[in-house]
Amino acid sequence: QKEVEQNSGPLSVPEGAIASLNCTYSDRGSQSFFWYRQYSGKSPELIMFIYSNGDKEDGRFTAQLNKASQYVSLLIRDSQPSDSATYLCAVRGAYNFNKFYFGSGTKLNVKP
Amino acid sequence: EAQVTQNPRYLITVTGKKLTVTCSQNMNHEYMSWYRQDPGLGLRQIYYSMNVEVTDKGDVPEGYKVSRKEKRNFPLILESPSPNQTSLYFCASSLIGGGAGYEQYFGPGTRLTVT
Repeated sequence: QKEVEQNSGPLSVPEGAIASLNCTYSDRGSQSFFWYRQYSGKSPELIMFIYSNGDKEDGRFTAQLNKASQYVSLLIRDSQPSDSATYLCAVRGAYNFNKFYFGSGTKLNVKP
Repeated sequence: EAQVTQNPRYLITVTGKKLTVTCSQNMNHEYMSWYRQDPGLGLRQIYYSMNVEVTDKGDVPEGYKVSRKEKRNFPLILESPSPNQTSLYFCASSLIGGGAGYEQYFGPGTRLTVT
């Protein structure tokens, strides 16, 4: 079982819609969660991190964490074509805080 | 400009020929890490370093070596590359702790092909 699972997509949404990206993780003791965006041919860049159960909002982005169900999600409101990218979920190691586990990413297409 | 640099950006080599991919950051970050990215497998951690002379294995360390003699540099060494090490490699760095925790900044990537 992989540490972090994501649906590879592609997820297609129309411009202006809400895009919902999901991620599940296997280690119940994990504490820190990160969403990265990766444009084609580019390096990952951090969008958000979340440590506590519940929602965390930053502009058009909302990260949601449910530790009991072991999932993290990223909502993108008012999706723009420039949001088209692959979104990577990352989890910091539960027992070794210096290790990171990434999902394989979900490709998002926002259609004008 | 705060950045992580990697060299070379592209490399084609042959099996068994030792190579080094350099990584340097100018942000005074303690933590540095190497990842490889393969289709369908996502980013997998190869090695990481907490500070000078402190390194440890990630999930896929076989066939790789690293060293951290200076805080800013973290080279990745392939002593005897094999075709299964053909991949896209990323170096990343971050502060340890702080408000953002481990916000990792990634280099531009090195695309390695081993024939």
